[in-house]
Amino acid sequence: SAVISQKPSRDICQRGTSLTIQCQVDSQVTMMFWYRQQPGQSLTLIATANQGSEATYESGFVIDKFPISRPNLTFSTLTVSNMSPEDSSIYLCSVDREAQETQYFGPGTRLLVL
Amino acid sequence: QKEVEQDPGPLSVPEGAIVSLNCTYSNSAFQYFMWYRQYSRKGPELLMYTYSSGNKEDGRFTAQVDKSSKYISLFIRDSQPSDSATYLCAMSPAGGYNKLIFGAGTRLAVHP
Repeated sequence: SAVISQKPSRDICQRGTSLTIQCQVDSQVTMMFWYRQQPGQSLTLIATANQGSEATYESGFVIDKFPISRPNLTFSTLTVSNMSPEDSSIYLCSVDREAQETQYFGPGTRLLVL
Repeated sequence: QKEVEQDPGPLSVPEGAIVSLNCTYSNSAFQYFMWYRQYSRKGPELLMYTYSSGNKEDGRFTAQVDKSSKYISLFIRDSQPSDSATYLCAMSPAGGYNKLIFGAGTRLAVHP
C-alpha cells in the first residue's frame, strides 16, 4: 500500500480566507484524487488530478473554489478558497497504484471555518 | 435514490460476535467493490476489495458480492473491541483509476 501524508492535519480558519492542503505520496502514482467528508456524511469526490494536465472536477465543484495543482507524480495541493462555515469538513487525498484495483487514502485534513 | 445505500447504524455487538455489514447499489456498471475501515479522526483504511461477484476471505474478514442482487456484505468473525470503527463500502465501474462511490458508512461498536 502507499504511504500518504497530508499537511496540515487540521486548521481553524476565518471565513473569506483560503487554505492550501498538501498531499505527498511515497512513490510515483498516476492519479490523485481529492475527496470531501462533511460532518456525519460519507466521502464525495471533488476532483481528479493527473500530472501535467488540468484537474477534472465533479458536478458541484468548480476550479475557482477548489484550485488544484499536480506538479509531479508524488505531490498535489488542494486550495479551499474564500472559505465559509459550510466548507468545514475533512479533506482527503487518495491515490491509485499501477495495476491496482482500488485507492489508498491519506489521513485527512480537518478544517473548521468560523 | 442514492447510488449506494448503507445503513448508518450504529451497530452494537458483544465481543466475539459475528458482524454482518451490508450495502446495496443501483448501478449495474459497478465491477469493483471495496470495504474501508475508518477510525475516529483518521483516514479510511482499505480492508478488502473484490472484483465482480464472489467471496473473498482475509483472516477474520469475508467480503461477498452478489451482483445479481446488487448487494455486497462484509462479515467480521470473532469481533474485537479494536474493530469498533465506521465501515464504508465503496464501488466503481473501473477500479482505482475511477472515482469511488461511497456508502454512508456503518458505525460499529464492539463492547467487551
